[in-house]
Amino acid sequence: EAGVAQSPRYKIIEKRQSVAFWCNPISGHATLYWYQQILGQGPKLLIQFQNNGVVDDSQLPKDRFSAERLKGVDSTLKIQPAKLEDSAVYLCASRTATALNTEAFFGQGTRLTVV
Amino acid sequence: SQQGEEDPQALSIQEGENATMNCSYKTSINNLQWYRQNSGRGLVHLILIRSNEREKHSGRLRVTLDTSKKSSSLLITASRAADTASYFCATVLDMRFGAGTRLTVKP
Repeated sequence: EAGVAQSPRYKIIEKRQSVAFWCNPISGHATLYWYQQILGQGPKLLIQFQNNGVVDDSQLPKDRFSAERLKGVDSTLKIQPAKLEDSAVYLCASRTATALNTEAFFGQGTRLTVV
Repeated sequence: SQQGEEDPQALSIQEGENATMNCSYKTSINNLQWYRQNSGRGLVHLILIRSNEREKHSGRLRVTLDTSKKSSSLLITASRAADTASYFCATVLDMRFGAGTRLTVKP
């Protein structure tokens, strides 16, 4: 079974530039999560999708972050404009839809450095 | 806000010793899970314990759940250097993590 794919693996941008991350979840997984993990901290949930609908985006900084999941499969997370404090690893995870006894699978993440 | 809160923040032991880490959560529980993260990698699921279970075993892992205290513990027995990683907990419905416990197992 193929895992959660994320790209790019690494990205370096200057502050005030824009950046986008892509996530391809495991086939058939309706639930998709995006996390931000700053060095030395735990993953912070940014947004949760159920198919192509948003379940929870309460911790997404909506003035600069946006995310979409067209057709309920792939997802993109965008930052515009980036700030120095956005330097972090961005993790994507997916799980089957409604079962509460299933695990979430995580991608390897995209490491963003804002200079 | 983060829901799973792990304790201690860091733990250093010798190979062969047992490691115990704790987790507290705030919401009404459904099921709770533990994940491991090796440096520079994504999280990997270790074990899930249902809200009606009090203890669960999987290999060298033992998880307990106390819903009255909203807490869980993860015990790793006979630790190995390969167990060096960060460990996180989260309820299945919430999927919010704390800062984690950084475990170092010295050979």
